[in-house]
Amino acid sequence: SQKIEQNSEALNIQEGKTATLTCNYTNYSPAYLQWYRQDPGRGPVFLLLIRENEKEKRKERLKVTFDTTLKQSLFHITASQPADSATYLCALFTGNQFYFGTGTSLTVIP
Amino acid sequence: SQTIHQWPATLVQPVGSPLSLECTVEGTSNPNLYWYRQAAGRGLQLLFYSVGIGQISSEVPQNLSASRPQDRQFILSSKKLLLSDSGFYLCAWSVGTYGYTFGSGTRLTVV
Repeated sequence: SQKIEQNSEALNIQEGKTATLTCNYTNYSPAYLQWYRQDPGRGPVFLLLIRENEKEKRKERLKVTFDTTLKQSLFHITASQPADSATYLCALFTGNQFYFGTGTSLTVIP
Repeated sequence: SQTIHQWPATLVQPVGSPLSLECTVEGTSNPNLYWYRQAAGRGLQLLFYSVGIGQISSEVPQNLSASRPQDRQFILSSKKLLLSDSGFYLCAWSVGTYGYTFGSGTRLTVV
């Protein structure tokens, strides 16, 4: 069956460190993958998109990698800040629709 | 600029009552529109999507229905709510296959 798995537990890190979130998938062949940020009680906000033929994409303090062999994407936030605390969702696009992971809750401790 | 409006923000409805959630988009034409539901601790579940006026595709058989009476208006309805319909409902739009823009969501509690 098709599955998208993100860090099963909440992630707590110290301010200034790099946060690394994982998104693993099985039985999908995504054309591209996206990362979203969701704050409590709010809709997700689009952050980054990476295509299947791209290895890495950066945007300010954010970096995403995409390994179609490992079927994995890593999402990095460098120099993390308390304001980065949120739930982060990965989403796969397979040419028909998006499939979302359940998200990873990140808390950056001052 | 493009904006998406979704209301109400919260709703408490008794079992068996009807439901109507509305979503409107501004600043774009012919968007793809989506209704998602997010249950606590679970991922976003696609309920309906629409690529044009009157064109609705349902992803999950359920107690809900959707309509698109105008290009930038998407409505989620139910004739009789069930307890299992409780959740966080999100409207989203996209143009092409780029990222979604989500509304602020409606927290529905069926009691």
